[in-house]
Amino acid sequence: GAGVSQSPRYKVTKRGQDVTLRCDPISSHATLYWYQQALGQGPEFLTYFNYEAQPDKSGLPSDRFSAERPEGSISTLTIQRTEQRDSAMYRCASSLEVGDGELFFGEGSRLTVL
Amino acid sequence: GESVGLHLPTLSVQEGDNSIINCAYSNSASDYFIWYKQESGKGPQFIIDIRSNMDKRQGQRVTVLLNKTVKHLSLQIAATQPGDSAVYFCAENFKETSGSRLTFGEGTQLTVNP
Repeated sequence: GAGVSQSPRYKVTKRGQDVTLRCDPISSHATLYWYQQALGQGPEFLTYFNYEAQPDKSGLPSDRFSAERPEGSISTLTIQRTEQRDSAMYRCASSLEVGDGELFFGEGSRLTVL
Repeated sequence: GESVGLHLPTLSVQEGDNSIINCAYSNSASDYFIWYKQESGKGPQFIIDIRSNMDKRQGQRVTVLLNKTVKHLSLQIAATQPGDSAVYFCAENFKETSGSRLTFGEGTQLTVNP
């Protein structure tokens, strides 16, 4: 696609529910990142993929968080048993090549946990 | 642990003046630094990058300076325009054998007064 697309743009859920966020990166981009961004803060690294491999998931806050990119393109971020502290903007980004510092960010998915 | 931070949370300048946004980093092993601009309601956008074997790099109206001795990075914007108003983040790239992890600082809010 022309840019990084994320869905849903907004998600409101009740505490304890599971949510899944989707990211469609720029076509042929090798690397895909997930970041969490609180209001007024910089993006916090969660995890990334090189194609379908996931070399680093050390930024995931807990085992309730998981991400997949099974075919090396679209990725999903799933949060199980959501808690209020999970409320944040979740941003996906992709880069053309592995190790590239120029990331192209999507518009984000804003999650609110009530 | 490694961290990337900014000296000033806000910066206000007059239109036409030059702006300087500063960033300190703590990981002396980092070898790649990037500046991003984030406008309200949008995802971060790549501005310019610099590798550790350089101390200066210029783009269109922007210059990034790297001082490895004191682990300091700065972004200079010439002839600042109202459209430059945004939050600016420096980011540090941790190179790994199979990819990279981009760590963002806290951001500086630049306001350009007409």
